[in-house]
Amino acid sequence: EVLLLESGGGLIQPGGSLRLSCAASGFTFSGYAMSWVRQAPGKGLEWVSAISGSGGSTYYAGSVKGRFTISRDNSRNTLYLQVTSLRAEDTAVYYCAKLPLVVPSAGYNWFDPWGQGTLVTVSS
Amino acid sequence: IQLTQSPSSLSASVGDRVTITCRASQGISSYLAWYQQKPGKAPKLLIYAASTLQSGVPSRFSGSGSGTDFTLTISSLQPEDFATYYCQQLNEYPPWTFGQGTKVEIK
Repeated sequence: EVLLLESGGGLIQPGGSLRLSCAASGFTFSGYAMSWVRQAPGKGLEWVSAISGSGGSTYYAGSVKGRFTISRDNSRNTLYLQVTSLRAEDTAVYYCAKLPLVVPSAGYNWFDPWGQGTLVTVSS
Repeated sequence: IQLTQSPSSLSASVGDRVTITCRASQGISSYLAWYQQKPGKAPKLLIYAASTLQSGVPSRFSGSGSGTDFTLTISSLQPEDFATYYCQQLNEYPPWTFGQGTKVEIK
């Protein structure tokens, strides 16, 4: 069974930093691109970042580019999201999700499965 | 690519046929997915490539469309289907984009 388990969220002051982790199991981790998607309280889904299976290609939403860094450790089967210069509008549940191929490809960019999410609250 | 879902919410009864629409701001061939999200839970993939049912998803769910107009249909609404549904375009990236969601509530 494919499982994704996020951790690292919490209450952080504006301007602060966190590192979110997503531990993967049940599949060959390095064989798949991965992504982070967030959801602000009571709001819809917003894609944040993605990374290829090797880690050699990374992608960011404009709202987080320059502040967030996605990475992965294929030896530990773990995906990371380093979040810095946090703002109130970054408050959300952050989900990690698996893509169906080793690199994002047009037509093959769905997310399945998703982890249970980790809540990041940015507040003073 | 912007995705616009309609309606934003709907009320329906168990056994009803429910249809949700997703319109893309430009043509995306059949590159669309649908997700179901229940309160406090992660989204779950229902359909990809506009009409391909993900393994394990009940056959009362179906998807159709191509180009700019897509629909998700629930043929006979069940109690466990009350949730929020999102479409996502699979064509262009970044960014990956989602519709704003459609909440299906009990009448």
